[in-house]
Amino acid sequence: RKEVEQDPGPFNVPEGATVAFNCTYSNSASQSFFWYRQDCRKEPKLLMSVYSSGNEDGRFTAQLNRASQYISLLIRDSKLSDSATYLCVVNTDSWGKLQFGAGTQVVVTP
Amino acid sequence: DTAVSQTPKYLVTQMGNDKSIKCEQNLGHDTMYWYKQDSKKFLKIMFSYNNKELIINETVPNRFSPKSPDKAHLNLHINSLELGDSAVYFCASSQEPKGMSNQPQHFGDGTRLSIL
Repeated sequence: RKEVEQDPGPFNVPEGATVAFNCTYSNSASQSFFWYRQDCRKEPKLLMSVYSSGNEDGRFTAQLNRASQYISLLIRDSKLSDSATYLCVVNTDSWGKLQFGAGTQVVVTP
Repeated sequence: DTAVSQTPKYLVTQMGNDKSIKCEQNLGHDTMYWYKQDSKKFLKIMFSYNNKELIINETVPNRFSPKSPDKAHLNLHINSLELGDSAVYFCASSQEPKGMSNQPQHFGDGTRLSIL
């Protein structure tokens, strides 16, 4: 079983709509959680950290459910520029060893 | 002012050759990493150095050898390149105090390695 699992998508979303997707992780001792964004043929870039109480950054909302071991990302009022692959990332040890999910592709259409 | 820069951006070479990829960060971070992203887009960590000390060494062939001359540089040398080494290699850095791991990582823009 992979340490971090995501629905690969693609999620085809009309511009202005809301899209949400989850990621599950297997290591219950995981301490830090992130969402990264990766555009085609580009490097991953941090979108947001995920905090225990949930957090929001503009149109993006992240939630953490430790009991069920999943994190979620919700994008409101989708823009064309939100089209990308969203990587769920979990830190499982004290030395920064990140486990990446394979990514969820989001395609925002006009 | 590129924060994490790696060179070259593209590397096309023949099987059996030896090549190096260089990485430098100007963020003042203590920890640097090398990742491999294969054709299935899965990012996997290879190595990590904290203040020039190797702290993560995943199961990679010993043809891959990282070298950190100082905490701002982490180079990757690959001997006897094989077809399966074709991938995108990303360098990253983070401010990672010992015993803490909640810092995000900043990535370079990748080196696309193609083996002929």
